[in-house]
Amino acid sequence: DTEVTQTPKHLVMGMTNKKSLKCEQHMGHRAMYWYKQKAKKPPELMFVYSYEKLSINESVPSRFSPECPNSSLLNLHLHALQPEDSALYLCASSFGTTNTEAFFGQGTRLTVV
Amino acid sequence: DAKTTQPPSMDCAEGRAANLPCNHSTISGNEYVYWYRQIHSQGPQYIIHGLKNNETNEMASLIITEDRKSSTLILPHATLRDTAVYYCIQGVETGANNLFFGTGTRLTVIP
Repeated sequence: DTEVTQTPKHLVMGMTNKKSLKCEQHMGHRAMYWYKQKAKKPPELMFVYSYEKLSINESVPSRFSPECPNSSLLNLHLHALQPEDSALYLCASSFGTTNTEAFFGQGTRLTVV
Repeated sequence: DAKTTQPPSMDCAEGRAANLPCNHSTISGNEYVYWYRQIHSQGPQYIIHGLKNNETNEMASLIITEDRKSSTLILPHATLRDTAVYYCIQGVETGANNLFFGTGTRLTVIP
């Protein structure tokens, strides 16, 4: 199994809603990541978890709250988002954080209305 | 922050070799060069990476200049399914820990 699975694939939410994005991998990877990608732009790193601990937060607003309940799961909790937060949210994982390839999920396309 | 520069777009005829250049003039001795690609509406896909020696795998070859300031990704026989945005990234550590994507090269394979 070399997949990173993200759910849901599409999400539409209002600005007052609370929702969560889910990411799962069963490759035994100990590093997991969230990226945000706007249309026609490259992915931007948001958060890095290493051994279930948050190691990098790239100055992401607090309306995005990551959670890593165990080594296979990564969540991104969303609250009070703005329309400009509409984007493709990508999850990735890797065996470690040193010289290994990263596997990306297919992303969740989020629309904030 | 992204430290590499790539041409914004390239075309390649189907069946021909696609040669995608990347400049990484600020690369330091312990930084690797990674290549990923992103097919429309999908997540990025790892292709290959290297430090200073040329590398080859089932997808592509990576040629790194002796001074390591530039590299070329070679897809030996491009197919229509290789149409994608190709990202060249330099970083000390990987996984995605240090993967700061630049703007990439949009490769279009033409029938």
